[in-house]
Amino acid sequence: DAGVIQSPRHEVTEMGQEVTLRCKPISGHDYLFWYRQTMMRGLELLIYFNNNVPIDDSGMPEDRFSAKMPNASFSTLKIQPSEPRDSAVYFCASRPAQGGGELFFGEGSRLTVL
Amino acid sequence: GESVGLHLPTLSVQEGDNSIINCAYSNSASDYFIWYKQESGKGPQFIIDIRSNMDKRQGQRVTVLLNKTVKHLSLQIAATQPGDSAVYFCAEIPPRTGRRALTFGSGTRLQVQP
Repeated sequence: DAGVIQSPRHEVTEMGQEVTLRCKPISGHDYLFWYRQTMMRGLELLIYFNNNVPIDDSGMPEDRFSAKMPNASFSTLKIQPSEPRDSAVYFCASRPAQGGGELFFGEGSRLTVL
Repeated sequence: GESVGLHLPTLSVQEGDNSIINCAYSNSASDYFIWYKQESGKGPQFIIDIRSNMDKRQGQRVTVLLNKTVKHLSLQIAATQPGDSAVYFCAEIPPRTGRRALTFGSGTRLQVQP
């Protein structure tokens, strides 16, 4: 399996622009997670889905952030409008319903908002 | 590029020595714990896990110890190698009635001197 695939790997944009990050989970995995990693706050859970349904979005910073999972093989995290404080590495992870809870992470999308 | 911050506690060891990385977790009801390794520019990778009904688990060159009394986890790496240089995170999952998502600690940077 190719693992969790994220795109883009790097994104540089200007404040106010819309940013869309994409994730393809591992086939057959029922759970999908979006995490954000920053110097100050470490790895934070933003939202997670089970069978394409959002279960917990309490980590989403504010209304500028939205996430969707239209089908089992694709999810997006959108920021509109983006701000410099959104600069971070955004990770997508997935896991199967069975098993202990190990998450399989993608390589991350590094976002820089100028 | 770096994906984690500059303010992490750092453990510096000589190649061939044993390393012990410690972690204090937050939720006394958490029933599952994982150690992850994150190399620069990559996503976190699973190392080893342990359930709350155990106090020790061994893998290849790694051992995890769990002390529920003081909510403490440790990761022991035997015969540390330069390839072990990375940031190490402990993560916990709250009990079944709670969020089924991993909550990560702040991380420890391991530097292996050749």
